Amino acid sequence: QKEVEQNSGPLSVPEGAIASLNCTYSDRGSQSFFWYRQYSGKSPELIMSIYSNGDKEDGRFTAQLNKASQYVSLLIRDSQPSDSATYLCAVRRTGGFKTIFGAGTRLFVKA
Amino acid sequence: GAVVSQHPSWVICKSGTSVKIECRSLDFQATTMFWYRQFPKQSLMLMATSNEGSKATYEQGVEKDKFLINHASLTLSTLTVTSAHPEDSSFYICSAGGPNRVGPYEQYFGPGTRLTVT
Repeated sequence: QKEVEQNSGPLSVPEGAIASLNCTYSDRGSQSFFWYRQYSGKSPELIMSIYSNGDKEDGRFTAQLNKASQYVSLLIRDSQPSDSATYLCAVRRTGGFKTIFGAGTRLFVKA
Repeated sequence: GAVVSQHPSWVICKSGTSVKIECRSLDFQATTMFWYRQFPKQSLMLMATSNEGSKATYEQGVEKDKFLINHASLTLSTLTVTSAHPEDSSFYICSAGGPNRVGPYEQYFGPGTRLTVT
């Protein structure tokens, strides 16, 4: 079992729709959770971090965390073509920096 | 967010030569820096973790004598690919971690260095 699992996609949504990206993790000791966006040929860019159960909203992005289910998700509202990228889920245990990345989900937003 | 720079952004070298890549945290002190490698259409693979002033910790399968990492200051880490081979051609990305103002440490990525070995 991979430590961080994501559906590789591609996930295709029409412009203006909600894109829902999901991630599961295996280590129950994980305490910090991150979503990164990576455009082709570029390095990852941190877009959301979440540390406690529930929802965290930032603009059009909402991260959701459920530690009991070992599940973290990212919702993108009013999706735009510029949101088309690979989204990486990342997980970290307490007390360290080592971060485990999922393989990423490719998102296409059709105009 | 914090700013992390890398230099060079791309480099082409001949097989058998060595290449040094620099990673700098520009507006914060990075207690820890990470080096990743990413092959086309694959995810990030952590190569090693370095803490300022101490030896790097390499991930399983990464040759420490081939990928030399130096983290001499809180703002600079270098990765040297020694005796490069064509299979070392990849996108190398560093990231730096340090305390943010809000909560737990976050990791910020440099723009990456594309290495091509001919």
